Amino acid sequence: GAVVSQHPSRVICKSGTSVKIECRSLDFQATTMFWYRQFPKQSLMLMATSNEGSKATYEQGVEKDKFLINHASLTLSTLTVTSAHPEDSSFYICSARAGTGTAEPEAFFGQGTRLTVV
Amino acid sequence: AQSVTQLDSQVPVFEEAPVELRCNYSSSVSVYLFWYVQYPNQGLQLLLKYLSGSTLVESINGFEAEFNKSQTSFHLRKPSVHISDTAEYFCAVPRMDSSYKLIFGSGTRLLVRP
Repeated sequence: GAVVSQHPSRVICKSGTSVKIECRSLDFQATTMFWYRQFPKQSLMLMATSNEGSKATYEQGVEKDKFLINHASLTLSTLTVTSAHPEDSSFYICSARAGTGTAEPEAFFGQGTRLTVV
Repeated sequence: AQSVTQLDSQVPVFEEAPVELRCNYSSSVSVYLFWYVQYPNQGLQLLLKYLSGSTLVESINGFEAEFNKSQTSFHLRKPSVHISDTAEYFCAVPRMDSSYKLIFGSGTRLLVRP
């Protein structure tokens, strides 16, 4: 199956700094990637949709200036948490849609990034 | 609005016992349905999916789920669980505005005890 790699798996940063999380599709081209956020013992909430070569689409209530998304190539999307604060601490997971012609709405997920802001 | 309901936040069972994790969805259109499994501090792995055809779908590790349109359910079952099945299980459906954006249930933690 398709593999999505996310890096880093864990990161601890100081309050006020920025953190970049990478999401790569290893064996397929992903025109669209998705970024989710998961709070402890809760479900995943879609933050934004990342489209290769165009601006990301953010879900209602998600600050686009806070969570910068760049999808510069067909295999890489990055999420940058700017000026991180402790309330940004969470588990961030990306997913990718394989190819452009498939009709099956299956998403492949990365292994997630645990962000802790101290 | 679309929603996915997993009524059980945690299901404790003994090893080798059967288990059912419940999932109900709200949708007025044809649906795709997914079950994902999440091991601690890891991302989600697709466990099984219903797209069309047979309403009973199976995974390679013994799980199965049945799409029941009249009851709008997609319950996950396994006749005999192992310790290694301990994980969080999420039911999901695609959003109506985009079949590639998923709506997840709140998750059910399956805790298998020896």
